[in-house]
Amino acid sequence: GENVEQHPSTLSVQEGDSAVIKCTYSDSASNYFPWYKQELGKRPQLIIDIRSNVGEKKDQRIAVTLNKTAKHFSLHITETQPEDSAVYFCAAKGGSYIPTFGRGTSLIVHP
Amino acid sequence: DAGVIQSPRHEVTEMGQEVTLRCKPISGHDYLFWYRQTMMRGLELLIYFNNNVPIDDSGMPEDRFSAKMPNASFSTLKIQPSEPRDSAVYFCASSLAWDGRFQETQYFGPGTRLLVL
Repeated sequence: GENVEQHPSTLSVQEGDSAVIKCTYSDSASNYFPWYKQELGKRPQLIIDIRSNVGEKKDQRIAVTLNKTAKHFSLHITETQPEDSAVYFCAAKGGSYIPTFGRGTSLIVHP
Repeated sequence: DAGVIQSPRHEVTEMGQEVTLRCKPISGHDYLFWYRQTMMRGLELLIYFNNNVPIDDSGMPEDRFSAKMPNASFSTLKIQPSEPRDSAVYFCASSLAWDGRFQETQYFGPGTRLLVL
């Protein structure tokens, strides 16, 4: 089955800095890569996703890149704000309909 | 739409008691998932249903756990008997496979925080 590794587990940045979270996956058939944000005490919510036919996707301050050859994808947040503080999960979906989630990255943005 | 609805939001029980968690998926969604989240193990998929039929329950930790989906708008996750190590946040999520094109997004409910003493 699919195996998703996510790094780092904790990321601390100053407000205004950029943050990058990286994930690797094992199943070369994976074709869909969502990112979820989970604020403290709340549910995971989709913030951006990318499909395997695209190398990069942007939505305002967040972007995701995908390298299919290396089987890794990354989340980039620019001009971080305190409200970006949360746990971020990557996931990969291959042949089955079920995404496999990474362990999560706790992002802390210091004012 | 109210989104995925879960009840109760919080549950405190004693070891050995039966616990039943409930979920109402988004209307029209054909997939329903049950997850467990802990600090130690992260987000774990327990079981998922497609059109009310359980497809994969390999994530269910042991026979004390069972899940049902009697109709398209309701699912339960039952733990009997409960143990302290079952303490976690349990999320239900739903998704729609096809709406003219592939729809991949999972929508999570607010979760049930379970504490087994």
